[in-house]
Amino acid sequence: TQLLEQSPQFLSIQEGENLTVYCNSSSVFSSLQWYRQEPGEGPVLLVTVVTGGEVKKLKRLTFQFGDARKDSSLHITAAQPGDTGLYLCAGVFATGTYKYIFGTGTRLKVLA
Amino acid sequence: GAVVSQHPSWVICKSGTSVKIECRSLDFQATTMFWYRQFPKQSLMLMATSNEGSKATYEQGVEKDKFLINHASLTLSTLTVTSAHPEDSSFYICSASRDIGNTQYFGPGTRLTVL
Repeated sequence: TQLLEQSPQFLSIQEGENLTVYCNSSSVFSSLQWYRQEPGEGPVLLVTVVTGGEVKKLKRLTFQFGDARKDSSLHITAAQPGDTGLYLCAGVFATGTYKYIFGTGTRLKVLA
Repeated sequence: GAVVSQHPSWVICKSGTSVKIECRSLDFQATTMFWYRQFPKQSLMLMATSNEGSKATYEQGVEKDKFLINHASLTLSTLTVTSAHPEDSSFYICSASRDIGNTQYFGPGTRLTVL
């Protein structure tokens, strides 16, 4: 059974601080997506990473895919209250059939 | 763009009734659609995967007779919760993908409350 563990589960920080969220699995992903979800809404896609070692930047967000494609991280620089939300990673496993697995989620709160 | 809508946004029903939730891809054709369930403060749990024109594939532990999924066209999938009970109350989210293995685009979700 493929599992995606995210850490930390909860994070409360002050505006301006930096943070990193991790997404780990013992299985190899074909690709991985990061989403942000606000209460009462569906997840919104932030990025897709495909290549091992890939780094993508989206303004103050930096996404990294592990060399072995088993893990990923999301780093936020100078967090703002607008970054508050549930961050979800989702891995795609392509071993004969495609399987999408969502991570356990990281709930971030940025205090003004 | 890749916009996915859901209807209704929220629904309250009596125990024993059936509720249908629609998921539409508004500006692209979705070969594959997914249905998820999300409990408060938890991650998404995949219920089933549906491909246009074929039967849905349900995840282990999801009752196919209780959660009926139809994917009749490339832009519409429906989830019907049959004989709903209070334990079926949840946030149901669909997503659509141009093809299996491609990025999923999520709908805004439907909150179901069964009294």
